[in-house]
Amino acid sequence: AQKVTQAQTEISVVEKEDVTLDCVYETRDTTYYLFWYKQPPSGELVFLIRRNSFDEQNEISGRYSWNFQKSTSSFNFTITASQVVDSAVYFCARIISSGSARQLTFGSGTQLTVLP
Amino acid sequence: NAGVTQTPKFRVLKTGQSMTLLCAQDMNHEYMYWYRQDPGMGLRLIHYSVGEGTTAKGEVPDGYNVSRLKKQNFLLGLESAAPSQTSVYFCASSALAGPSSYEQYFGPGTRLTVT
Repeated sequence: AQKVTQAQTEISVVEKEDVTLDCVYETRDTTYYLFWYKQPPSGELVFLIRRNSFDEQNEISGRYSWNFQKSTSSFNFTITASQVVDSAVYFCARIISSGSARQLTFGSGTQLTVLP
Repeated sequence: NAGVTQTPKFRVLKTGQSMTLLCAQDMNHEYMYWYRQDPGMGLRLIHYSVGEGTTAKGEVPDGYNVSRLKKQNFLLGLESAAPSQTSVYFCASSALAGPSSYEQYFGPGTRLTVT
């Protein structure tokens, strides 16, 4: 199976620090989609971003930014000036589709704790 | 517009009992999915459906059955529950086509404990 690896199991930072969450994926496909989801302590899964494999533009949304590099198969997520409300588990995921079939793989998640 | 809803929110079963989890979505999405989430393992896909009357296996389908009799509903069944099926179950849906077709919308989850 082609994996999605989030090597950082837990990260702890102090409020206002910047933090980067790493995501590395394996794929033999040229077309795929990458995602980041946030799971706060309340348990729901919140969609953050989608990136297509043919679009390597980095993206910034407020304090969040994403760095997609096909050459290293990485899709890293940076939170600038972290806040306590950013404390959550963050999941990276990849979807490959072939016709109507879909192969979805999630990373094991990174628990981010932002201390006041 | 409720999005994706799941019933029930919590359930405790004894080994060997059966139950059905219900997922409903009101976004007219073609794709629906069932995942399980276990500590340290992220989400793993159990089954998914491309549309009414269709289902397909995901990464961990054993011990589960699914049905999609109506487009808006996707049922997950456990015929004979085992302690290894203790988990949090998430349902999700996504559109078939369009710019956001791969974005999944998740339900709130069902916490199942099998004793």
